[in-house]
Amino acid sequence: NAGVTQTPKFRVLKTGQSMTLLCAQDMNHEYMYWYRQDPGMGLRLIHYSVGEGTTAKGEVPDGYNVSRLKKQNFLLGLESAAPSQTSVYFCASRQGGPSGANVLTFGAGSRLTVL
Amino acid sequence: AQSVTQLDSQVPVFEEAPVELRCNYSSSVSVYLFWYVQYPNQGLQLLLKYLSGSTLVKGINGFEAEFNKSQTSFHLRKPSVHISDTAEYFCAVTTYSGAGSYQLTFGKGTKLSVIP
Repeated sequence: NAGVTQTPKFRVLKTGQSMTLLCAQDMNHEYMYWYRQDPGMGLRLIHYSVGEGTTAKGEVPDGYNVSRLKKQNFLLGLESAAPSQTSVYFCASRQGGPSGANVLTFGAGSRLTVL
Repeated sequence: AQSVTQLDSQVPVFEEAPVELRCNYSSSVSVYLFWYVQYPNQGLQLLLKYLSGSTLVKGINGFEAEFNKSQTSFHLRKPSVHISDTAEYFCAVTTYSGAGSYQLTFGKGTKLSVIP
C-alpha cells in the first residue's frame, strides 16, 4: 500500500527555471494539499484541492500553480523558480467531506534547491 | 485567525527521562486537536488526536496528551523517552471556518533530542 508518493525526491534548479512536483495517492482520497516546510516556520499551506478539477489557494500561494486533472494526482508547478522557493515540499491527502476530524496522510517530501 | 503556539522550538532530554511538549491554541470555538511526528528525512505521521470525549488521549509509542479547554492547551507527554523518539513534533488544530469548511493550522514544531 503506497499511500502518498511524491516525485522527485530531490531537485536542484537555477533561478528562472520551471518544474513540476507530482503527488500521487492510491487511497481514493478527495482532499489533497501541498505544504512547504522551512526551518522554524513549520508547515505552510500553498494550495489545496477538495476534489478532481478543483483547486484553491492556501496561505502562501504566490509563485506556484497547481492542477488536479485526475483524482489521484495533484501537481505543483513553479513557472519561474526563485531562491526563496528553496524548501521541502510535502503533499498530503485525506478522506472527503467537510470534516475537521479527518487525519492527513503525508508523502515523504521533495527537497527543492533553487540556486 | 486561528493560531497554534508551540512554546519550545527545541527540547533536549536524557534517555528514560519524562518529557512534556507544550502546545497552546487561540480558538474559542470547538476544535479538533492533533499531534504529528516527523522522523528525520520523513513525512509527518499522526501520533494522536482529540475529537471529543475524554480529555486524556493516548497515542502510539507511549505518548499521551491532555486537552485543557480552559487553558486552551494540548500538551504532549511521555513518562520515559527512548532514543528512537528523537524527532520533530507538530501540534495542529482544526476549527470550523464557516460555509462547511474547516481550517487546519500547524504549530512551528518542537525538535525533541533524546540524549543517551
